[in-house]
Amino acid sequence: EIVLTQSPATLSLSPGERATLSCGASQTLASSHLAWYQQRPGQAPRLVIFDTSVRASGIPDRFSGSGSGTDFTLTISRLEPEDFAVYYCQDYGGSLFTFGGGTTVEI
Amino acid sequence: QVRLVQSGADVKKPGASVKVSCKASGFTFTSYAFHWVRQAPGQRLEWMGWINPDSGDTKFSQSFQGRVTLTRDTSANTAYMELNSLSSEDTAVYYCARGYPHRSGGDTYFDHWGQGTLVTVSS
Repeated sequence: EIVLTQSPATLSLSPGERATLSCGASQTLASSHLAWYQQRPGQAPRLVIFDTSVRASGIPDRFSGSGSGTDFTLTISRLEPEDFAVYYCQDYGGSLFTFGGGTTVEI
Repeated sequence: QVRLVQSGADVKKPGASVKVSCKASGFTFTSYAFHWVRQAPGQRLEWMGWINPDSGDTKFSQSFQGRVTLTRDTSANTAYMELNSLSSEDTAVYYCARGYPHRSGGDTYFDHWGQGTLVTVSS
């Protein structure tokens, strides 16, 4: 079973700054099937990125995803107040699914 | 628009079972997989399993194998998750999510989520 490790656990930044979130896999992902989800307090998760780098519908272009193999990154170019939340990466290649432990982006 | 509306919060005693519903609208119910994910207080998201709403085929995480049942009612556009032998460790918010772009859950990402259902297990 693939284990996803996210770092850092917490990222303390100010609005307008750049956020770089990492997701490391315990083994090479066979496909580009890596997604990122945003979860605000008290809300359900929301899809941000799928297929490693494709923005979901309605997601602003300040969000970008990259990576391959075992190392993946979510970048938020300039943080807006609504971006402060928890972000989870997910491997969805195959019939089993794994989430990372999450990165909290806080003000 | 795509909507997934889940049943309300529930309180159960240890050893009991809980059944959560997920009513879908805004798309063809049998065209996309339904996943179930739970989140214990302060914890990460944990995938439980998926169901193909057309065939009824299912796949489960080993963590829940034998304790969870996924079903669907195509006439009501509703998916169900039943978890039995509850313990306090099952206290969590349970989410349904649509798996896109296939009705079989493999290789699908979760593009729409229900609002979540809090299940509390307490004696």
